[in-house]
Amino acid sequence: NAGVTQTPKFRILKIGQSMTLQCTQDMNHNYMYWYRQDPGMGLKLIYYSVGAGITDKGEVPNGYNVSRSTTEDFPLRLELAAPSQTSVYFCASRGQTYSPLHFGNGTRLTVT
Amino acid sequence: AQTVTQSQPEMSVQEAETVTLSCTYDTSESDYYLFWYKQPPSRQMILVIRQEAYKQQNATENRFSVNFQKAAKSFSLKISDSQLGDAAMYFCAYDTQGGSEKLVFGKGTKLTVNP
Repeated sequence: NAGVTQTPKFRILKIGQSMTLQCTQDMNHNYMYWYRQDPGMGLKLIYYSVGAGITDKGEVPNGYNVSRSTTEDFPLRLELAAPSQTSVYFCASRGQTYSPLHFGNGTRLTVT
Repeated sequence: AQTVTQSQPEMSVQEAETVTLSCTYDTSESDYYLFWYKQPPSRQMILVIRQEAYKQQNATENRFSVNFQKAAKSFSLKISDSQLGDAAMYFCAYDTQGGSEKLVFGKGTKLTVNP
């Protein structure tokens, strides 16, 4: 059972480039989340989804887009990368509200 | 909006001793859940313990226990018999009754365990 899988683990982008962070889970969870973790700042919610075809903004959505075409996959798209998007990104999922989150191993993104 | 405050950016403890990490939160809700997550240097986020607000009894998981004071909106984590493997960042998190989107995290406490 793989749980939540994120790819890539590391990435360096130049300013203005775009990329997609991949996230897939094999637990048939309806709820999926993208967080970013900046040093000393905890985790901030970027986007979330409560099921296939349904997404909504979190606390810090600017500069990002998501889609949820299947239950398993929840990719995060960065358009026109900026240095402020340098961070560690976590994807997480859970089967129902109040359940603990299952996290992926994170993607460390550097924008220079 | 709910907020979670961890007032101790860093803490240290001697191996085999006990340490308590603090967490306070702000909410007007009566029903919610609280979590502690551990993040070791590997970066993996690991659930430590969960507390349901309507339960009076404090949650425990082996060496980990919480002191949940609902009226004071306080949710501290006690680690007994500290081990070197407990060294990590610890995050407190609040989960609202709405549930799906509003898991709010504190900024974390870095715990060092000294041999």
